[in-house]
This record gives sequence, C-alpha cells and structure tokens, in this order.
Amino acid sequence: NAGVTQTPKFQVLKTGQSMTLQCAQDMNHNSMYWYRQDPGMGLRLIYYSASEGTTDKGEVPNGYNVSRLNKREFSLRLESAAPSQTSVYFCASSNGLGDIQYFGAGTRLSVL
Amino acid sequence: QKEVEQDPGPLSVPEGAIVSLNCTYSNSAFQYFMWYRQYSRKGPELLMYTYSSGNKEDGRFTAQVDKSSKYISLFIRDSQPSDSATYLCAMTPLNDYKLSFGAGTTVTVRA
Repeated sequence: NAGVTQTPKFQVLKTGQSMTLQCAQDMNHNSMYWYRQDPGMGLRLIYYSASEGTTDKGEVPNGYNVSRLNKREFSLRLESAAPSQTSVYFCASSNGLGDIQYFGAGTRLSVL
Repeated sequence: QKEVEQDPGPLSVPEGAIVSLNCTYSNSAFQYFMWYRQYSRKGPELLMYTYSSGNKEDGRFTAQVDKSSKYISLFIRDSQPSDSATYLCAMTPLNDYKLSFGAGTTVTVRA
C-alpha cells in the first residue's frame, strides 16, 4: 500500500548543481502536485499536473521545471540549485477537481 | 493579505484537554475544506474533509465550517500525547485543482 513515493529522501547540493526529484503514485490518480514547505510559510505550490500531458505553474515556479512522465510519475527538476531552494519538497496526488490530496513523505534538500 | 490565515501557535495543552484550532479565509468561492495532520519530519495526512457549511465528527475530532463568517475550526477532544503534531487547514473551490493552505498550527499535548 505505497501511495505516493518520493526519492530521494535527503539530498545535499552545491550551488549551481542540478538534480531531479522523483515522485510516483499507485492510486491511479489523474492529478499530481509539487510543493515546498518552509518554516512559517506553510505549503506552497510549485507546479501541478491536472492530468497526464498537462502541467501548470503554481505559486512559486521560478527555478524549477517539471515533467509528467506518465500517469504515475511526476518529476521536479532544479537546473541550477540556489541556497534559496533549501527546503522540504512534497509530492501529492488527487483524483482531480476539489479532491483530497495525498502526500508523500518528502525530500529534504539542502543547497550549500 | 494571505488567502488563508492560521495562527501558527505553538499551542501546548495537558493530556485530556480540548484542543481548538481555526482558520479564516477571504475567498468566498471555497467549498471544500480539509484538515491535515503532519508529524515531525513526515508528510501531511488527511484528518478531516468537509463540503460547504456544517459539522463533521470522527471519533475525537470535530470539524466545523461557517461559510457566512469564512471561518473553519477543528476540535480535538480528550487530547493525547500522540496528537502532538502540526495541523494544517486547506480549502479549494469546486472548480479548481489547487488547494490553499494555512501556515499550520503546532500542537504539543503534555503527558
């Protein structure tokens, strides 16, 4: 009963390095999301994919790119990491409009 | 002004106390309301899900929505140390994929 699986769980990068965060869900959900969580800021939406083949910007998309690889998988890429991207990243999925979102366990990223 | 306001706390209560959490919002289009619980270093998990105004009870948890006041609440009765977590409110309109989250309230229940 995996739900939403994120890899890696932890990562340390140097400024300017690139990396891809992976997310997969096994609930046959249509929609997938990427959030970042910073102290005192709550969850902020980076990008989302309403359905396979579509992606849209959220509240804080700058410095990130996403790929909806198929219905199960949604990746987040940092092309040139900056210290301001140090955060905890969560992937989530849902059936669609107005529906409950189910979250993964998160990726803790530090950019030095 | 944020779309969803939530007092970040922290809130510390003795075991057995009633915990009261709340959020206010500004967007009258919100129709679906949720409360998530997040333990330290874990992902948020859904606690309660309600549609429009009214009350919903699930065990020791009660969620209330007052759309006329743009105010939602979560009550935890007979609180336990295992209820120590951050509680996030979230809400969305009927026709949107995105959730709007409060900043979260950190609750500690003292044994």
